[in-house]
Amino acid sequence: AQTVTQSQPEMSVQEAETVTLSCTYDTSENNYYLFWYKQPPSRQMILVIRQEAYKQQNATENRFSVNFQKAAKSFSLKISDSQLGDTAMYFCAFKIPDTGNQFYFGTGTSLTVIP
Amino acid sequence: NAGVMQNPRHLVRRRGQEARLRCSPVKGHSHVYWYRQLPEEGLKFMVYLQKENIIDESGMPKERFSAEFPKEGPSILRIQQVVRGDSAAYFCASSPQPPQGAMGKQYFGPGTRLTVT
Repeated sequence: AQTVTQSQPEMSVQEAETVTLSCTYDTSENNYYLFWYKQPPSRQMILVIRQEAYKQQNATENRFSVNFQKAAKSFSLKISDSQLGDTAMYFCAFKIPDTGNQFYFGTGTSLTVIP
Repeated sequence: NAGVMQNPRHLVRRRGQEARLRCSPVKGHSHVYWYRQLPEEGLKFMVYLQKENIIDESGMPKERFSAEFPKEGPSILRIQQVVRGDSAAYFCASSPQPPQGAMGKQYFGPGTRLTVT
């Protein structure tokens, strides 16, 4: 079974500080893709960052970076220089290519950036 | 360059009525996915469709729920005889044909919030 666990239901961070959201997952597959999605109050799902499991180098997108530990099946998201607009729900997800095409999502972490 | 469009954004139905949710994928995308998000939970996969075909409906309840993606027009998720437990946000996503679709490039719509009273 494919599962995604986000153990932090809620987090907060001061504006301009750094915060790390944790995610662990379980799969027996060797090739897969990992994602972090942001869901602001508008409820739109916005892709934040993506990582291919076969790549050892951690993905980065501006202020967002990941710490991908394949052996530990861990995929944390680091947000640097937090901004008020980062306040949202953050979902970790993964997808196995060519086997059904669905994403497996965690239950989310609600992040609040405090001014 | 319009993204995925869903309508309505909010839908209220009484128990026993039918709910029809529409999704227009990104122009040129031929793959559509529907997800349901219950309160305080992550998104759960329901169904994956290509034009005129249901490819994977393993996440869809066997009764009352159906989905289609006709040759012309939007994809429709239909819920018959709604019950209070159907209240949720329903998200549609689309992707281009493989290999990009296989690489996980799904684009999500803003969702439809269904409330059953």
